[in-house]
Amino acid sequence: GQQVMQIPQYQHVQEGEDFTTYCNSSTTLSNIQWYKQRPGGHPVFLIQLVKSGEVKKQKRLTFQFGEAKKNSSLHITATQTTDVGTYFCAGPGGAQKLVFGQGTRLTINP
Amino acid sequence: KAGVTQTPRYLIKTRGQQVTLSCSPISGHRSVSWYQQTPGQGLQFLFEYFSETQRNKGNFPGRFSGRQFSNSRSEMNVSTLELGDSALYLCASSFTGGGKTEAFFGQGTRLTVV
Repeated sequence: GQQVMQIPQYQHVQEGEDFTTYCNSSTTLSNIQWYKQRPGGHPVFLIQLVKSGEVKKQKRLTFQFGEAKKNSSLHITATQTTDVGTYFCAGPGGAQKLVFGQGTRLTINP
Repeated sequence: KAGVTQTPRYLIKTRGQQVTLSCSPISGHRSVSWYQQTPGQGLQFLFEYFSETQRNKGNFPGRFSGRQFSNSRSEMNVSTLELGDSALYLCASSFTGGGKTEAFFGQGTRLTVV
């Protein structure tokens, strides 16, 4: 079945440093979604990318969808302590299910 | 509008017992998906319901089952609990399901099996 791989699994940065997480799918995706889960919380939707090569920004967050629609990335510029959490990418896995990557857990040293 | 509501929030059960978890989706959403989240395995898809029909099922044993009612509320049941079933169980509602639109997650039910 379809697999969504995400790297790195963990990332620790100093506050103010940049952060990037990468997502790769074994199959072409019709769209890719990104979620953030704060410690002790539940996943919260951040964004959905649909078009090949699409780039979207939300303040310090930049999301990209690859040309082949099989990979995506999330980049955070100048991290802040509020960015702490686990970031998941997810894509339609066929037959009506959303398949999640393993997530990248971001911790920040203030 | 109200978000996704899961009850109970916390549950402690002993091995061999069964448990039923409940999820009330956002009003107007007909798709409800269930996920198991453990530290080592991430978010594992259990099943998805749309208009009372199960449209997909993940790779979980038959001890895991679910259903959806006409008002879109959903329940999942785990019978003959095992220690390894300890996890955070999340439900997510969406308008269309199937990963086509954003999913809204509930706060989850944390199940501990002792």
